[in-house]
Amino acid sequence: KQEVTQIPAALSVPEGENLVLNCSFTDSAIYNLQWFRQDPGKGLTSLLLIQSSQREQTSGRLNASLDKSSGRSTLYIAASQPGDSATYLCAVPLSGGYNKLIFGAGTRLAVHP
Amino acid sequence: EAQVTQNPRYLITVTGKKLTVTCSQNMNHEYMSWYRQDPGLGLRQIYYSMNVEVTDKGDVPEGYKVSRKEKRNFPLILESPSPNQTSLYFCASSFLQGDYGYTFGSGTRLTVV
Repeated sequence: KQEVTQIPAALSVPEGENLVLNCSFTDSAIYNLQWFRQDPGKGLTSLLLIQSSQREQTSGRLNASLDKSSGRSTLYIAASQPGDSATYLCAVPLSGGYNKLIFGAGTRLAVHP
Repeated sequence: EAQVTQNPRYLITVTGKKLTVTCSQNMNHEYMSWYRQDPGLGLRQIYYSMNVEVTDKGDVPEGYKVSRKEKRNFPLILESPSPNQTSLYFCASSFLQGDYGYTFGSGTRLTVV
């Protein structure tokens, strides 16, 4: 059974810091891994999608890496800003079929000025 | 703009009064799905559809119905809502191959009193 864990559950940092959010999964036979951002009570915005054959993806100040063999992904946020404050979720498709995403519980990030 | 559109964004209703939450996507995705998000329980899949006229139960289907008469639309129907269906609901879509990940709607905040 695929399980996804995110560490830390919450993080509070001053503006300008570089951050690393962690995501681990129990079944390494994943098709891809997707990072989302969710603002309080709002929808999920896709940040980065990493295919199983890829090692990392970058978008602006965000960089996501994937190590399938160890069952881990990290989301690196460079030079954090107050506007980065949100909950960050990682998700992988259920093994054996692309019909459900398994989500981690998320990391709640607060960046203060 | 490629998107998943849900309506309404907010809904307060009374127990037993039938309601429908609409979901539409403009990306020609085969796969569509409904999730609910609750504090402490994360995101759970309600129903999904792999194509027109093909639907299947997710993890928490009780009390819900769906239909997929057209490729772009996937409405969620609550025939007799109850207070335990108070939640934040998300519609999502993707290509079956999964190469481009999931796109989520902005969410529907439902309160059943």
